Amino acid sequence: AQSVSQHNHHVILSEAASLELGCNYSYGGTVNLFWYVQYPGQHLQLLLKYFSGDPLVKGIKGFEAEFIKSKFSFNLRKPSVQWSDTAEYFCAVISFNAGNMLTFGGGTRLMVKP
Amino acid sequence: EAGVAQSPRYKIIEKRQSVAFWCNPISGHATLYWYQQILGQGPKLLIQFQNNGVVDDSQLPKDRFSAERLKGVDSTLKIQPAKLEDSAVYLCASSQINTGEETQYFGPGTRLLVL
Repeated sequence: AQSVSQHNHHVILSEAASLELGCNYSYGGTVNLFWYVQYPGQHLQLLLKYFSGDPLVKGIKGFEAEFIKSKFSFNLRKPSVQWSDTAEYFCAVISFNAGNMLTFGGGTRLMVKP
Repeated sequence: EAGVAQSPRYKIIEKRQSVAFWCNPISGHATLYWYQQILGQGPKLLIQFQNNGVVDDSQLPKDRFSAERLKGVDSTLKIQPAKLEDSAVYLCASSQINTGEETQYFGPGTRLLVL
Protein backbone atom coordinates (compact mmCIF):
# COMPACT_ATOMS: atom_id res chain seq x y z
CA ALA A 1 0.00 0.00 0.00
CA GLN A 2 1.11 3.54 -0.66
CA SER A 3 2.36 5.19 2.50
CA VAL A 4 4.56 7.79 4.12
CA SER A 5 6.85 6.61 6.91
CA GLN A 6 8.56 8.60 9.60
CA HIS A 7 10.71 6.19 11.52
CA ASN A 8 11.53 8.41 14.50
CA HIS A 9 8.46 8.94 16.64
CA HIS A 10 10.21 10.83 19.41
CA VAL A 11 13.51 12.67 19.31
CA ILE A 12 15.17 14.47 22.20
CA LEU A 13 18.10 16.78 21.53
CA SER A 14 20.06 19.39 23.39
CA GLU A 15 20.26 22.92 22.02
CA ALA A 16 22.86 23.37 19.27
CA ALA A 17 22.71 19.69 18.32
CA SER A 18 22.14 18.81 14.69
CA LEU A 19 18.82 17.39 13.59
CA GLU A 20 17.85 14.93 10.91
CA LEU A 21 14.33 13.51 10.71
CA GLY A 22 13.72 10.70 8.28
CA CYS A 23 10.86 10.47 5.80
CA ASN A 24 10.31 7.73 3.25
CA TYR A 25 7.41 7.25 0.88
CA SER A 26 6.27 4.34 -1.22
CA TYR A 27 4.59 6.14 -4.12
CA GLY A 28 5.80 5.75 -7.67
CA GLY A 29 5.80 8.41 -10.31
CA THR A 30 5.86 12.14 -9.78
CA VAL A 31 5.49 13.35 -6.22
CA ASN A 32 5.38 16.67 -4.42
CA LEU A 33 6.86 16.62 -0.94
CA PHE A 34 6.16 18.70 2.12
CA TRP A 35 7.20 19.11 5.73
CA TYR A 36 4.64 20.59 8.10
CA VAL A 37 5.27 21.58 11.70
CA GLN A 38 2.96 21.98 14.66
CA TYR A 39 4.34 24.02 17.54
CA PRO A 40 2.71 23.51 20.94
CA GLY A 41 -0.72 25.10 20.97
CA GLN A 42 -0.49 26.25 17.37
CA HIS A 43 -1.90 25.25 13.99
CA LEU A 44 -0.22 22.89 11.59
CA GLN A 45 1.87 25.05 9.25
CA LEU A 46 4.12 24.56 6.24
CA LEU A 47 7.85 24.35 6.89
CA LEU A 48 9.05 23.69 3.33
CA LYS A 49 8.07 21.99 0.10
CA TYR A 50 9.63 20.40 -2.95
CA PHE A 51 8.14 20.17 -6.43
CA SER A 52 11.05 20.06 -8.86
CA GLY A 53 14.53 21.41 -9.51
CA ASP A 54 17.26 21.54 -6.89
CA PRO A 55 16.64 18.55 -4.61
CA LEU A 56 17.96 20.51 -1.63
CA VAL A 57 15.15 22.72 -0.42
CA LYS A 58 15.47 25.46 2.16
CA GLY A 59 12.56 26.41 4.38
CA ILE A 60 11.80 28.72 7.24
CA LYS A 61 13.78 28.96 10.47
CA GLY A 62 16.94 27.39 9.04
CA PHE A 63 15.39 24.07 8.09
CA GLU A 64 16.25 22.26 4.89
CA ALA A 65 15.30 18.97 3.29
CA GLU A 66 16.88 16.83 0.61
CA PHE A 67 14.91 14.83 -1.93
CA ILE A 68 16.69 11.62 -2.90
CA LYS A 69 14.57 10.02 -5.59
CA SER A 70 16.48 6.74 -5.66
CA LYS A 71 15.85 6.26 -1.94
CA PHE A 72 12.25 7.59 -1.96
CA SER A 73 13.33 9.87 0.87
CA PHE A 74 12.85 13.47 1.89
CA ASN A 75 14.74 13.93 5.14
CA LEU A 76 14.51 17.12 7.16
CA ARG A 77 17.67 18.69 8.60
CA LYS A 78 18.78 21.59 10.72
CA PRO A 79 22.44 22.12 11.65
CA SER A 80 21.77 23.57 15.10
CA VAL A 81 18.43 23.28 16.87
CA GLN A 82 16.99 25.74 19.34
CA TRP A 83 14.60 25.24 22.23
CA SER A 84 11.93 26.95 20.11
CA ASP A 85 12.12 24.11 17.58
CA THR A 86 10.29 21.86 20.04
CA ALA A 87 7.29 20.74 18.01
CA GLU A 88 5.79 17.85 16.07
CA TYR A 89 6.99 17.47 12.50
CA PHE A 90 5.00 15.81 9.73
CA CYS A 91 6.22 14.71 6.35
CA ALA A 92 3.56 14.68 3.63
CA VAL A 93 3.38 13.59 0.01
CA ILE A 94 1.15 14.28 -2.95
CA SER A 95 1.39 11.59 -5.59
CA PHE A 96 -0.09 12.42 -8.96
CA ASN A 97 -0.62 8.71 -9.52
CA ALA A 98 -2.94 8.70 -6.51
CA GLY A 99 -4.84 11.91 -7.09
CA ASN A 100 -3.94 15.25 -5.58
CA MET A 101 -4.41 13.92 -2.08
CA LEU A 102 -1.98 14.99 0.64
CA THR A 103 -0.90 11.95 2.65
CA PHE A 104 0.86 12.49 5.96
CA GLY A 105 3.36 10.41 7.84
CA GLY A 106 2.79 9.59 11.49
CA GLY A 107 4.80 12.53 12.76
CA THR A 108 7.95 12.96 14.84
CA ARG A 109 7.75 14.69 18.16
CA LEU A 110 10.93 16.69 18.78
CA MET A 111 11.89 17.97 22.19
CA VAL A 112 14.86 20.30 22.48
CA LYS A 113 16.34 20.64 25.94
CA PRO A 114 17.61 24.11 26.84
CA GLU B 1 -5.27 37.86 6.66
CA ALA B 2 -7.63 35.81 8.78
CA GLY B 3 -6.83 32.12 9.01
CA VAL B 4 -9.03 29.07 8.83
CA ALA B 5 -11.65 29.19 11.57
CA GLN B 6 -13.18 26.13 13.20
CA SER B 7 -15.74 25.59 15.90
CA PRO B 8 -16.25 24.22 18.41
CA ARG B 9 -12.71 23.73 19.68
CA TYR B 10 -13.67 20.86 21.95
CA LYS B 11 -16.59 18.49 22.07
CA ILE B 12 -17.44 15.60 24.36
CA ILE B 13 -20.33 13.31 23.43
CA GLU B 14 -21.51 9.82 24.21
CA LYS B 15 -21.41 7.08 21.63
CA ARG B 16 -24.38 6.94 19.30
CA GLN B 17 -24.94 10.69 19.64
CA SER B 18 -24.50 13.02 16.69
CA VAL B 19 -22.07 15.92 16.38
CA ALA B 20 -21.32 18.62 13.83
CA PHE B 21 -18.21 20.67 13.17
CA TRP B 22 -18.00 23.96 11.31
CA CYS B 23 -15.21 25.41 9.20
CA ASN B 24 -14.74 28.80 7.58
CA PRO B 25 -11.82 28.78 5.14
CA ILE B 26 -9.52 31.62 4.20
CA SER B 27 -11.36 34.10 2.03
CA GLY B 28 -10.99 33.30 -1.65
CA HIS B 29 -9.79 29.75 -1.15
CA ALA B 30 -11.67 27.46 -3.50
CA THR B 31 -10.48 24.17 -2.06
CA LEU B 32 -11.47 22.95 1.39
CA TYR B 33 -10.33 19.80 3.14
CA TRP B 34 -11.42 17.89 6.22
CA TYR B 35 -8.86 15.70 7.96
CA GLN B 36 -9.13 13.30 10.89
CA GLN B 37 -6.11 13.09 13.18
CA ILE B 38 -6.18 10.24 15.67
CA LEU B 39 -3.83 10.55 18.64
CA GLY B 40 -0.29 9.54 17.67
CA GLN B 41 -0.99 9.56 13.94
CA GLY B 42 -0.73 12.04 11.11
CA PRO B 43 -3.80 13.71 9.64
CA LYS B 44 -5.86 11.59 7.24
CA LEU B 45 -7.90 13.22 4.51
CA LEU B 46 -11.63 12.56 4.83
CA ILE B 47 -13.05 14.75 2.10
CA GLN B 48 -11.99 17.47 -0.31
CA PHE B 49 -14.22 20.13 -1.85
CA GLN B 50 -13.54 22.33 -4.84
CA ASN B 51 -15.95 25.24 -4.43
CA ASN B 52 -19.18 23.43 -3.47
CA GLY B 53 -18.43 20.17 -5.27
CA VAL B 54 -16.84 17.04 -3.80
CA VAL B 55 -13.50 16.16 -5.40
CA ASP B 56 -12.51 13.22 -3.23
CA ASP B 57 -14.42 11.47 -0.46
CA SER B 58 -12.90 8.03 -0.85
CA GLN B 59 -11.78 7.89 2.80
CA LEU B 60 -14.98 9.24 4.31
CA PRO B 61 -16.97 6.58 6.24
CA LYS B 62 -20.19 7.45 4.50
CA ASP B 63 -22.39 5.29 6.70
CA ARG B 64 -21.90 7.75 9.54
CA PHE B 65 -19.99 10.77 8.25
CA SER B 66 -21.36 13.47 5.99
CA ALA B 67 -20.07 16.84 4.88
CA GLU B 68 -21.33 19.71 2.85
CA ARG B 69 -20.08 23.02 1.58
CA LEU B 70 -23.08 25.04 0.61
CA LYS B 71 -22.36 28.15 -1.46
CA GLY B 72 -18.73 27.14 -1.75
CA VAL B 73 -17.57 28.87 1.43
CA ASP B 74 -18.28 27.45 4.90
CA SER B 75 -18.41 23.74 5.46
CA THR B 76 -19.86 21.39 8.05
CA LEU B 77 -18.80 17.87 8.90
CA LYS B 78 -21.28 15.65 10.71
CA ILE B 79 -20.97 12.33 12.47
CA GLN B 80 -24.13 10.38 13.17
CA PRO B 81 -24.03 8.15 15.13
CA ALA B 82 -20.62 8.56 16.74
CA LYS B 83 -18.47 5.62 17.74
CA LEU B 84 -15.68 5.43 20.30
CA GLU B 85 -13.10 5.19 17.52
CA ASP B 86 -14.19 8.59 16.16
CA SER B 87 -12.36 10.26 19.04
CA ALA B 88 -9.81 12.43 17.25
CA VAL B 89 -8.95 15.96 16.21
CA TYR B 90 -10.86 17.07 13.11
CA LEU B 91 -8.84 19.52 11.07
CA CYS B 92 -10.11 21.79 8.36
CA ALA B 93 -7.71 23.20 5.77
CA SER B 94 -8.04 25.35 2.70
CA SER B 95 -5.99 26.28 -0.34
CA GLN B 96 -6.52 28.56 -3.29
CA ILE B 97 -7.00 25.68 -5.71
CA ASN B 98 -5.52 22.21 -5.83
CA THR B 99 -2.96 21.39 -8.47
CA GLY B 100 -0.80 19.59 -5.92
CA GLU B 101 1.54 22.52 -5.37
CA GLU B 102 -0.47 24.85 -3.20
CA THR B 103 0.14 25.23 0.49
CA GLN B 104 -2.74 24.03 2.60
CA TYR B 105 -3.56 26.29 5.53
CA PHE B 106 -4.89 24.52 8.58
CA GLY B 107 -7.32 25.60 11.25
CA PRO B 108 -6.89 24.93 14.97
CA GLY B 109 -8.99 21.77 14.84
CA THR B 110 -11.90 20.41 16.85
CA ARG B 111 -10.95 17.88 19.47
CA LEU B 112 -13.70 15.26 19.78
CA LEU B 113 -13.96 12.79 22.62
CA VAL B 114 -16.57 10.05 22.33
CA LEU B 115 -17.39 8.31 25.63
